[in-house]
Amino acid sequence: AQSVSQHNHHVILSEAASLELGCNYSYGGTVNLFWYVQYPGQHLQLLLKYFSGDPLVKGIKGFEAEFIKSKFSFNLRKPSVQWSDTAEYFCAVRGGSYIPTFGRGTSLIVHP
Amino acid sequence: GAGVSQSPSNKVTEKGKDVELRCDPISGHTALYWYRQRLGQGLEFLIYFQGNSAPDKSGLPSDRFSAERTGESVSTLTIQRTQQEDSAVYLCASSLETGSRLEAFFGQGTRLTVV
Repeated sequence: AQSVSQHNHHVILSEAASLELGCNYSYGGTVNLFWYVQYPGQHLQLLLKYFSGDPLVKGIKGFEAEFIKSKFSFNLRKPSVQWSDTAEYFCAVRGGSYIPTFGRGTSLIVHP
Repeated sequence: GAGVSQSPSNKVTEKGKDVELRCDPISGHTALYWYRQRLGQGLEFLIYFQGNSAPDKSGLPSDRFSAERTGESVSTLTIQRTQQEDSAVYLCASSLETGSRLEAFFGQGTRLTVV
C-alpha cells in the first residue's frame, strides 16, 4: 500500500526566508506526485505535479519540487516566501492505486 | 461547470439523522473521489468512481456510509444514522484521467457537524 509522510506539521517563517517542506512516500513502483495548497477559506488547488521526465518540477507562484527516487522524496521548495504563502500544504502520491494518498499536511505561517 | 461544486457548504444535523451530500464534478472528468478531512488531520479516502467501472469503496468507514454516481456526472454521499465522529469536512474531487492529466480538482467541501 502507498503512504505519504510529511515531517513538518507546522512551519513559521518570516517573509523572504527560504522554504523547504519535506515529503516522503512509500511505494516501490512508478509514481505520480503532487503538491496541493489550501489558502485560508479556499479549496485545495494544485501547486505542481511530477508525472515523468525532469525530476525538478516548477509550479505556480515560484514553487518547485524535486523528485529523488532513491530517497522516495518529493520536497517542496521556494527561495523567498511571502506573507500570501500562508496556507496548508499537502503532498500526495499515486502509485499502484488510482487513488491519490495524501499526507497530513503542513501548516505554513509567514510573518510580514 | 468551471469547477467542482459541492452542496450544501455547511450542514448541521442531529445525531441519528441521515444526511446526503452532493457533488457536481467538472464536465468530462471520468474519475470522482470522496475524501473526509477531520480537524487537524489529513485527507482520508472514502470512495472512488471511474467511468462505468464498479466503484472502489475500500475507504468507507462503516456500512452507514454509501455513495452513488450517475454516469459521469453527479455523485451523492449518504451517511445514515449520523454519529458525532462523522463531523468533518467532506471533500469531492474529479480528474480527467487522460495522459498526464491525472491531478484531482477539489470542490470547496461540505462541513458536516453532528450535534
